[in-house]
Amino acid sequence: QQQVRQSPQSLTVWEGETAILNCSYEDSTFDYFPWYHQFPGESPALLIAIRPVSNKKEDGRFTIFFNKREKKFSLHIADSQPGDSATYFCAASHSSNTNKVVFGTGTRLQVLP
Amino acid sequence: NSKVIQTPRYLVKGQGQKAKMRCIPEKGHPVVFWYQQNKNNEFKFLINFQNQEVLQQIDMTEKRFSAECPSNSPCSLEIQSSEAGDSALYLCASSLLGKDTEVFFGKGTRLTVV
Repeated sequence: QQQVRQSPQSLTVWEGETAILNCSYEDSTFDYFPWYHQFPGESPALLIAIRPVSNKKEDGRFTIFFNKREKKFSLHIADSQPGDSATYFCAASHSSNTNKVVFGTGTRLQVLP
Repeated sequence: NSKVIQTPRYLVKGQGQKAKMRCIPEKGHPVVFWYQQNKNNEFKFLINFQNQEVLQQIDMTEKRFSAECPSNSPCSLEIQSSEAGDSALYLCASSLLGKDTEVFFGKGTRLTVV
């Protein structure tokens, strides 16, 4: 059972456009939702994260929109740059950080100049 | 930048051979995770530790996989009898205790079972 679903599998946008990556989850007890990005040959790195007490979290060009009722959240990358090209993973976990993180299947983002 | 050190970066083993990989978590991080990332980029949680104690592990881990995090030594993940389906990137991650603490990943060990 895939607990965290992610779409699209791949996404191509032009430089300057907003890229939108989507995720949904099953377990309503998840309460921490990070996004990671992973460049080829590199390890995943935390990009931004949100807790359900908020429905929006911004960090520079990156914004998470969260809909607790529909159990969906999305990452918006504004003014996309070629350097943003990477694979992005949404994830979910429970409060205690000793609990495992459940990852989505990833979105391969390509930003064309 | 992550300071989780994984060795070796690449590991090639024949089917049935033992495969062992190591991880030095970031200094001061008591929580360690092992994940398997397959060629489709899918993550599978394997096991996690708090200090030397196993917190959670999946069934697969309990059979052919073993892991430990001894005090004052690197953590390790060992596959007793490698199978072709074990070919993947094995990622170690560590974190502090507490809410909202970041999990830092190492660069991984890419295992190829031939």
